[in-house]
Amino acid sequence: SAVISQKPSRDICQRGTSLTIQCQVDSQVTMMFWYRQQPGQSLTLIATANQGSEATYESGFVIDKFPISRPNLTFSTLTVSNMSPEDSSIYLCSVDRTGGETQYFGPGTRLLVL
Amino acid sequence: GESVGLHLPTLSVQEGDNSIINCAYSNSASDYFIWYKQESGKGPQFIIDIRSNMDKRQGQRVTVLLNKTVKHLSLQIAATQPGDSAVYFCAETAGTYKYIFGTGTRLKVLA
Repeated sequence: SAVISQKPSRDICQRGTSLTIQCQVDSQVTMMFWYRQQPGQSLTLIATANQGSEATYESGFVIDKFPISRPNLTFSTLTVSNMSPEDSSIYLCSVDRTGGETQYFGPGTRLLVL
Repeated sequence: GESVGLHLPTLSVQEGDNSIINCAYSNSASDYFIWYKQESGKGPQFIIDIRSNMDKRQGQRVTVLLNKTVKHLSLQIAATQPGDSAVYFCAETAGTYKYIFGTGTRLKVLA
């Protein structure tokens, strides 16, 4: 497995502002992923963050709303831009160390937008 | 911490009994399946996985069964303990990084 940390662990934000979430892994990984888990829901993939290239976004998610950085093989950030109450969710990063198989998750960032 | 899966189906099991959590997966081409456990306030934790060329795999106190004919996956937990209380998700993938997660089941262990 991998040791994954996220910052912040939780935050309360005002609508219209932006929040950047950090994900740090204890070793180099090829792929990092960002998920959203809305209250009472399962996990939905937002995008895949690849080092050295643009992130790949899933249907329904756009770069202007969720810009992602992947500056190296152990770190990624997800920004939630121009937030609204509908963005209140748990945001999770995950990593894949075995080339497309098992993903391991960070502890999540709990976001509440007022 | 907050509650994950407030409106999820719930399975209540007496402590010491065996638990069976079921999952119907969606893609007949899926070839890798994973069970995750998510405790309140935490991220999903890997429990056990199985490939499509197997129909059963055992871990410590857990067993995963795969029935490809009816696209059904189950997680069996032996001698359920209070620490097993959590939301359990199955996930499937068809040879890519894209996971499809099930809706989740809340397991409540009764003392």
